Amino acid sequence: SQQGEEDPQALSIQEGENATMNCSYKTSINNLQWYRQNSGRGLVHLILIRSNEREKHSGRLRVTLDTSKKSSSLLITASRAADTASYFCAWSGGSNYKLTFGKGTLLTVNP
Amino acid sequence: DGGITQSPKYLFRKEGQNVTLSCEQNLNHDAMYWYRQDPGQGLRLIYYSQIVNDFQKGDIAEGYSVSREKKESFPLTVTSAQKNPTAFYLCASTSGGLTGELFFGEGSRLTVL
Repeated sequence: SQQGEEDPQALSIQEGENATMNCSYKTSINNLQWYRQNSGRGLVHLILIRSNEREKHSGRLRVTLDTSKKSSSLLITASRAADTASYFCAWSGGSNYKLTFGKGTLLTVNP
Repeated sequence: DGGITQSPKYLFRKEGQNVTLSCEQNLNHDAMYWYRQDPGQGLRLIYYSQIVNDFQKGDIAEGYSVSREKKESFPLTVTSAQKNPTAFYLCASTSGGLTGELFFGEGSRLTVL
């Protein structure tokens, strides 16, 4: 399968805590992206990190990329109940240039 | 407002029927995509189109067909040959080539009765 893995599959935290989600992939990549999906809705792009970047920030989001380990992590700091959603990583590269999506992490932030 | 519009949001189909899902974008994007999402799963690529009058099969194209006669429109037909069509279907577009940021519609949920 071209799909990698995300862990954990589900994460439940309290408001104000930090949430970390991990993504592993199997091929060499051009870039890796993170998306958010509220239940029953479309996906929304959060952040893109290129293969030559190691870390990127956007507001309360911090993404790291370790190409030697073929892994990425998404950190959401000071979480809010509104952050409750599924988070997906997606990568492009290898023998094609299509985006391949992971299976996602369901984050629940309890008020 | 620019965006992607998918319709219908909910669709019920009897076995043996073809159904067509609509996807329209006013973002002036060249590339458009169709993905399928099953419960608790990631997205799987059905078809994509980089330019008008051209499209390519994705990873799970069997039982589906598409057309790209206009830049703004990329309809997906779920045919009776698709053995397990009940799923959530997502349309997306990008201006950034095949690996740029994707903009998604709100999805269409198809249920086969």
